[in-house]
Amino acid sequence: EADIYQTPRYLVIGTGKKITLECSQTMGHDKMYWYQQDPGMELHLIHYSYGVNSTEKGDLSSESTVSRIRTEHFPLTLESARPSHTSQYLCASSGRAGNEKLFFGSGTQLSVL
Amino acid sequence: DQQVKQNSPSLSVQEGRISILNCDYTNSMFDYFLWYKKYPAEGPTFLISISSIKDKNEDGRFTVFLNKSAKHLSLHIVPSQPGDSAVYFCAAPNTGNQFYFGTGTSLTVIP
Repeated sequence: EADIYQTPRYLVIGTGKKITLECSQTMGHDKMYWYQQDPGMELHLIHYSYGVNSTEKGDLSSESTVSRIRTEHFPLTLESARPSHTSQYLCASSGRAGNEKLFFGSGTQLSVL
Repeated sequence: DQQVKQNSPSLSVQEGRISILNCDYTNSMFDYFLWYKKYPAEGPTFLISISSIKDKNEDGRFTVFLNKSAKHLSLHIVPSQPGDSAVYFCAAPNTGNQFYFGTGTSLTVIP
């Protein structure tokens, strides 16, 4: 019953390729987030958006970019992938009210060779 | 500087016994805390939360305790089951609704 969808689940690509990780949610949430997570590490916020045409960078510096043209869609793009980009990328969303929880997608496991 | 800390990277518990996972935080402005469970190569799923106006919240086998003066919270799972084996993250949002996560504790429940 996932209401937030990420594609692809797994991606193996070569260095220098441009990739877009897709994220869509059907809950009508205004807030959407991209996190990066490596085993044994915390989830690092790399981008967030509080609504259409609003995007901000998170605490962790990232060479990726995001866009928010529609409420339900928050894709992340890497213009030129490098091995250091190998990680799990997690998309999440939350509602407008206080004390809202984050809903996560299944994640994209990216490997750059 | 990490605002949410989980100092135990791993924990092993026998099936049927209690699992206690700990979390500390440094930001006294945090007033809402959440626990997430994560399996490898999957996204985290919400488990239980607690507001700072409470010191305990219970949901079935899961109970979260909050000690505001110590800036400490803990998740109790009793009885532990093999299906509980996963990585558990504690998290807290700031006033801008940016969520801070700990590094996780990997729980193994031994049958």
